[in-house]
Amino acid sequence: QKEVEQNSGPLSVPEGAIASLNCTYSDRGSQSFFWYRQYSGKSPELIMSIYSNGDKEDGRFTAQLNKASQYVSLLIRDSQPSDSATYLCAVTDAGNMLTFGGGTRLMVKP
Amino acid sequence: ETGVTQTPRHLVMGMTNKKSLKCEQHLGHNAMYWYKQSAKKPLELMFVYSLEERVENNSVPSRFSPECPNSSHLFLHLHTLQPEDSALYLCASSLHGTGLSTEAFFGQGTRLTVV
Repeated sequence: QKEVEQNSGPLSVPEGAIASLNCTYSDRGSQSFFWYRQYSGKSPELIMSIYSNGDKEDGRFTAQLNKASQYVSLLIRDSQPSDSATYLCAVTDAGNMLTFGGGTRLMVKP
Repeated sequence: ETGVTQTPRHLVMGMTNKKSLKCEQHLGHNAMYWYKQSAKKPLELMFVYSLEERVENNSVPSRFSPECPNSSHLFLHLHTLQPEDSALYLCASSLHGTGLSTEAFFGQGTRLTVV
């Protein structure tokens, strides 16, 4: 059973701080890694994808991947109240089957 | 707009009714998914179709019956549901193949209420 684990939170950070979201996965053959944001009552939307070890930056978002340790993280700099949402980590295996983690609820307080 | 369209957006049905949810994508994707998301719970994968063949069925009750007539359309047929089946049902699509995967795109979901 392939697993993707996330702390459910809520993770509470003050406005302007860095929010750090973590995800671990069990399948060493995993190839592609994604972060989705889901606002309450809405469908998930993709915010970051990462495929190789290291960091990938896109605006205020940085995804970090460490395949040896089997974790992927998402950093949100200068957090805004509008970043308050549930963040879902998703991983594909060698067969490109997608597995989601349970999500971490982020709360950014003004 | 993600390119994945779900209808209806909202559905209220009685426990004896039969209804169907529809999902459509014209992104050229070859894999489609049904997910269930209950209140304050994580996404639960229900069914996966790849190249119109079902590749995964996560022990979903038989009152949920998927159908994938072609790579652009996916249905979820519902009959004799229970109130606990009330949830947001999400469809997603992605491109399967060798090498790196593209991301999955989600439809807006169908909010189902069983009364």
